[in-house]
Amino acid sequence: GAVVSQHPSWVICKSGTSVKIECRSLDFQATTMFWYRQFPKQSLMLMATSNEGSKATYEQGVEKDKFLINHASLTLSTLTVTSAHPEDSSFYICSARASRGPTRAQYFGPGTRLLVL
Amino acid sequence: QKEVEQDPGPLSVPEGAIVSLNCTYSNSAFQYFMWYRQYSRKGPELLMYTYSSGNKEDGRFTAQVDKSSKYISLFIRDSQPSDSATYLCAMSGGAGGTSYGKLTFGQGTILTVHP
Repeated sequence: GAVVSQHPSWVICKSGTSVKIECRSLDFQATTMFWYRQFPKQSLMLMATSNEGSKATYEQGVEKDKFLINHASLTLSTLTVTSAHPEDSSFYICSARASRGPTRAQYFGPGTRLLVL
Repeated sequence: QKEVEQDPGPLSVPEGAIVSLNCTYSNSAFQYFMWYRQYSRKGPELLMYTYSSGNKEDGRFTAQVDKSSKYISLFIRDSQPSDSATYLCAMSGGAGGTSYGKLTFGQGTILTVHP
């Protein structure tokens, strides 16, 4: 149980284009999903917290107009990197927290590697 | 000072060794403690989850939390080459606190178990 999927697993795009990444909880409902980015040999950096049916909460320093987050259902959240530039190249990982149960653990997706040329 | 400190290693041990991984933290509001394992180019995988102080065992893994010392540990017995990965500690606060729901991660410890 507690499986989270991400699509695509990797993407290469030209500078200036937009890229959408999907995050799905496959076998549980997730009221809250989180988006992280991770640079090589570094820990995860939280970008935003996404709650189903409401606006995402962004961490300090993260541009909400550049990283659009939509959490349309209890099993799906999307991250759109708008007008991507080479500095946006990174490993993007989503996580989901189950709506029910005592756990506060987050279950992570496999990640999406973005390369902007 | 970071809220969570974790020695990044790298740590190299022979197969069969007992591995000890540790994190210290400064925020006394943390109540939920987790250990994740991350293989290269993959998302983190939840290994252990504990609430408040105490020990928890799951197979070859044992997690310990000492809230009085703000110190958590993960022990891996009979380590295997397949345990080679980065191990991340993570923590979260209780309901009503500013850290509730969010995870604060350690830097991660790179572990290599060689045959």
